[in-house]
Amino acid sequence: AQRVTQPEKLLSVFKGAPVELKCNYSYSGSPELFWYVQYSRQRLQLLLRHISRESIKGFTADLNKGETSFHLKKPFAQEEDSAMYYCALRVGSRLTFGEGTQLTVNP
Amino acid sequence: KAGVTQTPRYLIKTRGQQVTLSCSPISGHRSVSWYQQTPGQGLQFLFEYFSETQRNKGNFPGRFSGRQFSNSRSEMNVSTLELGDSALYLCASSLALAGFGEQFFGPGTRLTVL
Repeated sequence: AQRVTQPEKLLSVFKGAPVELKCNYSYSGSPELFWYVQYSRQRLQLLLRHISRESIKGFTADLNKGETSFHLKKPFAQEEDSAMYYCALRVGSRLTFGEGTQLTVNP
Repeated sequence: KAGVTQTPRYLIKTRGQQVTLSCSPISGHRSVSWYQQTPGQGLQFLFEYFSETQRNKGNFPGRFSGRQFSNSRSEMNVSTLELGDSALYLCASSLALAGFGEQFFGPGTRLTVL
């Protein structure tokens, strides 16, 4: 069965510092991975997906099949990045989410 | 385009009761997926409906059921409520089966079981 692990429940950084949110997955097939974000009092929304290899709001994520990881990175965190971040693995039509990391960017 | 809407937004029930939650997908979307979000378990997949048929089901007891209507609106029903059913229930819609398109999430229904 597939599984997604986000080892940090809470992560706190200062504005302008680099940030990395960790995500590891276990799945025997070819994974399709996503990062979702939920800002305070807003609905869950897609941030980025690994197949598009895009950068959204300065965030990037690289799929490392050898390490089974899909860490989310941003070189210079902003206060508006404070939110809950979920890593998700899609198999067929089912999304399996990690438990989430609450990122706080301090001024 | 209007986003995914869920009604009601908040519900308070007591143990043993049953509850029905409703989800209206984005116009034109045919797939609706349901998720349960709790502080301890995070987001867990309940089921997906496409063209009025359940296409996929998560590991939840039979007390959790759903259906989808011809206009793609979906309802989720939980019978014999337990305290542990207290959660935020999210639905998400996508154009095609969720495995082939982006899912858009609704604001959720907050269910409290007393």
